[in-house]
Amino acid sequence: QVQLQESGPGLVKPSQTLSLTCTVSGGSISSGGYYWSWIRQHPGKGLEWIGYTYYSGNSYYNPSLKRRVTIDTSESQFSLKLSSVTAADTAVYYCARATSLGSNYYFGAFDIWGQGTMVTVSS
Amino acid sequence: DIQMTQSPSSLSASVGDRVTITCQASQDINNYLNWYQQKPGKAPRLLIYDASNLETGVPSRFSGSGSGTDFTFTISSLQPEDIATYYCQQYDNLPLFTFGPGTKVNIK
Repeated sequence: QVQLQESGPGLVKPSQTLSLTCTVSGGSISSGGYYWSWIRQHPGKGLEWIGYTYYSGNSYYNPSLKRRVTIDTSESQFSLKLSSVTAADTAVYYCARATSLGSNYYFGAFDIWGQGTMVTVSS
Repeated sequence: DIQMTQSPSSLSASVGDRVTITCQASQDINNYLNWYQQKPGKAPRLLIYDASNLETGVPSRFSGSGSGTDFTFTISSLQPEDIATYYCQQYDNLPLFTFGPGTKVNIK
């Protein structure tokens, strides 16, 4: 059974780069068949998709964050880097697996999630 | 960008009640619509995919319907463990996903 676990600093200073890692257990990123995603949730708010990546290295980002975001993969981990952070980037960050369900072959549903990690941007 | 709205933003119902949540897209998204349940302090859980398909392991009291711009999520008989916030999510214009603002369900 595939499980995801986020890790990284819980406190980041303004203007610095937020770096998080998601470790995939019970499966391999390099086997393909899924996109690996980052999603965040501001305190008390809804969900915002940040971006996702495929094992081949193809990555796609939310246009609102694209200028500051990089998502990379390795055998069993994928990472998020968000540069030039401000207090507005304070949120719970989730990693999640995007899968293709049904008959349309689009990787449109997030079927497995990590537990989330709270990141606060503050000096 | 496709905008998603949900109504109501919150509701209170009694155990055993039928609960209905609506989700509306700002443009036609076919049936590319999923529903998630998020309990406090937990990650979201996929319940319904492609508007009406029940994810494996999800109780049958949960259901979804709709296509185009208007979608409905239903809990046929509300249980205490269903207290959560429910989100719709579209994936019609990949690679950009958007979620609805959520509907908080409480027990009366």
